[in-house]
Amino acid sequence: QQQVKQSPQSLIVQKGGISIINCAYENTAFDYFPWYQQFPGKGPALLIAIRPDVSEKKEGRFTISFNKSAKQFSLHIMDSQPGDSATYFCAASIEGYGGSQGNLIFGKGTKLSVKP
Amino acid sequence: DVKVTQSSRYLVKRTGEKVFLECVQDMDHENMFWYRQDPGLGLRLIYFSYDVKMKEKGDIPEGYSVSREKKERFSLILESASTNQTSMYLCASSSEQIGTSVGEQYFGPGTRLTVT
Repeated sequence: QQQVKQSPQSLIVQKGGISIINCAYENTAFDYFPWYQQFPGKGPALLIAIRPDVSEKKEGRFTISFNKSAKQFSLHIMDSQPGDSATYFCAASIEGYGGSQGNLIFGKGTKLSVKP
Repeated sequence: DVKVTQSSRYLVKRTGEKVFLECVQDMDHENMFWYRQDPGLGLRLIYFSYDVKMKEKGDIPEGYSVSREKKERFSLILESASTNQTSMYLCASSSEQIGTSVGEQYFGPGTRLTVT
């Protein structure tokens, strides 16, 4: 019940195309869904996050779509660029203060390659 | 600017050695975490700490211990290194201040440990 399942494991997209990465969860108590971006040789960094009171959040070319009833959320990268090539992790947590309830549960990651 | 630093980027140790990985954050964050990252397995939580001198086991604590004597420093200890502990180790921190999300974690650059 604590798992977050992420797909695909790897993705190749042409420059200018749309990249889509999907995640699914089981625990309905999760209420915070971030996406992290990791470039080679660097630690992951928060890219964008959503809470279940909205169905979509957009920041520039990056959009999270959230489907509460299906327990799924996805990251869309519009007009994908070679500089977007990185590993993307979805995650989920129960927002709170103190104790393990706030810990992030990560998906296994998607390696995105954007071809010029 | 937010910063999490790790003592080494690359480390090579022999089987049976005691290994110390150090992590320091300069953001006065309450929470600190140690993860290991392996291809296809994503980020797995080893230990975490919500306060000085406090520690809790994560999902894969076997073979590891931690120490948090000061708020800004969180150390991961491999008591007797084994080859199956060859991995990328990532430290992270987050705040518990009102108005922030415990889920917003800031990561260090990682230490790639090889045990031979």
